[in-house]
Amino acid sequence: ETGVTQSPTHLIKTRGQQVTLRCSSQSGHNTVSWYQQALGQGPQFIFQYYREEENGRGNFPPRFSGLQFPNYSSELNVNALELDDSALYLCASSSIKTGSNGYTFGSGTRLTVV
Amino acid sequence: DAKTTQPNSMESNEEEPVHLPCNHSTISGTDYIHWYRQLPSQGPEYVIHGLTSNVNNRMASLAIAEDRKSSTLILHRATLRDAAVYYCILKGAGGTSYGKLTFGQGTILTVHP
Repeated sequence: ETGVTQSPTHLIKTRGQQVTLRCSSQSGHNTVSWYQQALGQGPQFIFQYYREEENGRGNFPPRFSGLQFPNYSSELNVNALELDDSALYLCASSSIKTGSNGYTFGSGTRLTVV
Repeated sequence: DAKTTQPNSMESNEEEPVHLPCNHSTISGTDYIHWYRQLPSQGPEYVIHGLTSNVNNRMASLAIAEDRKSSTLILHRATLRDAAVYYCILKGAGGTSYGKLTFGQGTILTVHP
């Protein structure tokens, strides 16, 4: 069984630019969540997608948006990048259907905004 | 969101048991207690979860207090590979909190050879 894969692993962007991060869910998982982890902090929940619709959102502005595709892969888009957006972005998948409550995380994308 | 409190850091020796405590006095009746750990340069890894009864799996054991206001993650024989940040998380079972994991600062576990 494949795990969660994220791309790219590292990225440098300029303030004001837009960025798209990608995630491939673990096989058999139909729910995907995104988290932001600043240096030295625990991950912060951004939002969750199920059946291609957002069904939960954390305290993040609308410039953070996402998509989930029919194959359960997902994208995180961030517009108008700010310096404080520099962080590790984590994708996590799980399966509601099987009743599993455990989430499988990817290794993350390290975003640096300069 | 209900909050958890963990010690900032703990230390252990290799091959000894480790008991990682977590307080969650405001837990609701439908909150599951989850534990994740995060090794350096990796995403969090699911360890174990439970609701009311103690739980065991190949990685660890979870002991839940009778009033559910605290829990303890038990690593039976610590190895150097267990050195990580351990997060105790309350996970909502429904509504808009479904699936949301609220991470705190976690406990940094150091394992000495």
